[in-house]
Amino acid sequence: DAKTTQPTSMDCAEGRAANLPCNHSTISGNEYVYWYRQIHSQGPQYIIHGLKNNETNEMASLIITEDRKSSTLILPHATLRDTAVYYCIVRGRTSGTYKYIFGTGTRLKVLA
Amino acid sequence: ETGVTQSPTHLIKTRGQQVTLRCSSQSGHNTVSWYQQALGQGPQFIFQYYREEENGRGNFPPRFSGLQFPNYSSELNVNALELDDSALYLCASSFDRLPSGTNTGELFFGEGSRLTVL
Repeated sequence: DAKTTQPTSMDCAEGRAANLPCNHSTISGNEYVYWYRQIHSQGPQYIIHGLKNNETNEMASLIITEDRKSSTLILPHATLRDTAVYYCIVRGRTSGTYKYIFGTGTRLKVLA
Repeated sequence: ETGVTQSPTHLIKTRGQQVTLRCSSQSGHNTVSWYQQALGQGPQFIFQYYREEENGRGNFPPRFSGLQFPNYSSELNVNALELDDSALYLCASSFDRLPSGTNTGELFFGEGSRLTVL
C-alpha cells in the first residue's frame, strides 16, 4: 500500500487560501488520491479525490503533479470552520478490497 | 438520505469484558468498514464487510470480529478487552461493485463510538 507523508501542522489566516501538501512517491498507476478531514472527534468527512487530473468541487481543489508523486489540497478561502485534521490517502486495492490507509494527517488551524 | 449512525456513542468497559458496537449504513450502500482511532492518531483499518462477508482485514487480532446483516447494517465485536482497545471506533459505508472494482470511492463515516477500557 502506498504511504503518504504530510506536515504535522499548518496555520492559515482566515480568508486566505490554505495549501496542504502531500507526498505519495510510491503511488501506483491505478491508485487514487483521496482527501478527508476530521473536525474534533467527529467522523472523517470526504473532501475530494483524483487520479491524475486536477479536480475541483464546492469544497476544494486538488492539484496532482504530473509524476503523481505529490499533491496539494487547496481551500481557496479558509474559514474558522475549516480548522480540522486533513488526511491525504492513497486508495489501494488488495484482493478485491479497497483499503484506505490513513496517516496522522495535517492539523490545520485557521486564525482569525 | 439517511446517514451512517453508530451506537452507543460512549461506553465504559473493564479489562477482559466483551463489547458490541453497532452501525447502520447509509441508504443504498452495501459495504461497511470499521476503523479504530486512538487519541492523536489517524483511523486504522480493522476490516470490511461486503454483502455479509468479510473481504478485507487490517492488522488486528481475531478477538476483533464482525457481522454484516442482510440490510447491510453491521456489528463490531471485541472480546477480552485490553486497555489499549480504548479508542474511537468508526464505521464507514460505501457502495461497491466488487469484484469488478468499480465503486463511488467515497466513504461516509458515522460519528463513532468512544470506548474506554478500565
